[in-house]
Amino acid sequence: AQTVTQSQPEMSVQEAETVTLSCTYDTSESDYYLFWYKQPPSRQMILVIRQEAYKQQNATENRFSVNFQKAAKSFSLKISDSQLGDAAMYFCASAGNNRKLIWGLGTSLAVNP
Amino acid sequence: KAGVTQTPRYLIKTRGQQVTLSCSPISGHRSVSWYQQTPGQGLQFLFEYFSETQRNKGNFPGRFSGRQFSNSRSEMNVSTLELGDSALYLCASSLARTSGSGTGELFFGEGSRLTVL
Repeated sequence: AQTVTQSQPEMSVQEAETVTLSCTYDTSESDYYLFWYKQPPSRQMILVIRQEAYKQQNATENRFSVNFQKAAKSFSLKISDSQLGDAAMYFCASAGNNRKLIWGLGTSLAVNP
Repeated sequence: KAGVTQTPRYLIKTRGQQVTLSCSPISGHRSVSWYQQTPGQGLQFLFEYFSETQRNKGNFPGRFSGRQFSNSRSEMNVSTLELGDSALYLCASSLARTSGSGTGELFFGEGSRLTVL
């Protein structure tokens, strides 16, 4: 069975600094997708970034990038130049052949001014 | 373009009652998926519909059911409510056939917060 583990329930970062959120997953499938979603307080969940497992190149979206280590089954999210609006719950998720999304428990990120 | 709309936003029920939650996807999206979010369990996949057909189902008891209409609007129903059903129920829509497709970004609603007393 697929599992997703986020080992950091809470993280904090100073505004303008860089922070990395950890995510490990377990799957026996060769074809899968990985996602990071962001859930701001009392607002909708939105997609931050996604990675296809067959692509070796790490995905990047502006200040957000991932460090995808396939052999280690690790998929960490790096947020550069952190902004106050980055404060949110961040969820890591994976989807295998059945395309059902399996979610981690989330990391609550606080951004300090 | 209107986003995903979930109704009601908040509701309080008592044990044994049943509840129906509604989700209107973004116009043009034919895939709708439902999730239960609780502090202890995180997000758990309930089920997913595409063109009125259930495509995937999570590991929830039969008390949880759903359906999708021809206009892609979806409802989920929980019968014989238990205290443990208290949660935020999230609906998401997507252009892709399945929610876990790499080509399909999920667009979430604000959720329906259910409290069972």
